[in-house]
Amino acid sequence: DTGVSQNPRHKITKRGQNVTFRCDPISEHNRLYWYRQTLGQGPEFLTYFQNEAQLEKSRLLSDRFSAERPKGSFSTLEIQRTEQGDSAMYLCASSQRTEAFFGQGTRLTVV
Amino acid sequence: QQQVKQSPQSLIVQKGGISIINCAYENTAFDYFPWYQQFPGKGPALLIAIRPDVSEKKEGRFTISFNKSAKQFSLHIMDSQPGDSATYFCAAGRGTDKLIFGTGTRLQVFP
Repeated sequence: DTGVSQNPRHKITKRGQNVTFRCDPISEHNRLYWYRQTLGQGPEFLTYFQNEAQLEKSRLLSDRFSAERPKGSFSTLEIQRTEQGDSAMYLCASSQRTEAFFGQGTRLTVV
Repeated sequence: QQQVKQSPQSLIVQKGGISIINCAYENTAFDYFPWYQQFPGKGPALLIAIRPDVSEKKEGRFTISFNKSAKQFSLHIMDSQPGDSATYFCAAGRGTDKLIFGTGTRLQVFP
């Protein structure tokens, strides 16, 4: 499968714990995006990378959130000290500037 | 300036009928307008996208109509099928970066 891959698909964590998600984009896609989607809403932009450079971060991305794309290939999104309000679907997308393709997402539940 | 307004919120269509979903944007700098289909628990799947240099694009049963002066675009699904039952999101952005999504339309196609 050459699509965008996200792991894990589901994550249940206790409030206050740290979690990390991984995204593997479509190979040769130099742009990688993170979005968050809550139930009944459209995806909301969080941040994006061009190669290894993080070019923009949304105001939604608090200090507890950090994203990396160290070698310009896969990316990780870490949430520190999780809160119940962080419960959502975290989506990754990639593009070569022409079309944006999404992965299946990581469903985070904070209990 | 950054909103994308989508209507209707829900749509019920009989099999074989035409489904029409509308979106309006505000930012005249936007030049990429995709439509995504999302099934429960899955990531958004790119259906069809248009750029403002054309007024219509057709792929199979799916057509985007684009009105640059009115800042509106719409998705038409011809010969709607029960398998088309899903949530549809329009989006807009400058290229594929930082897409702004509509609030979604839940489509139900009955046999």
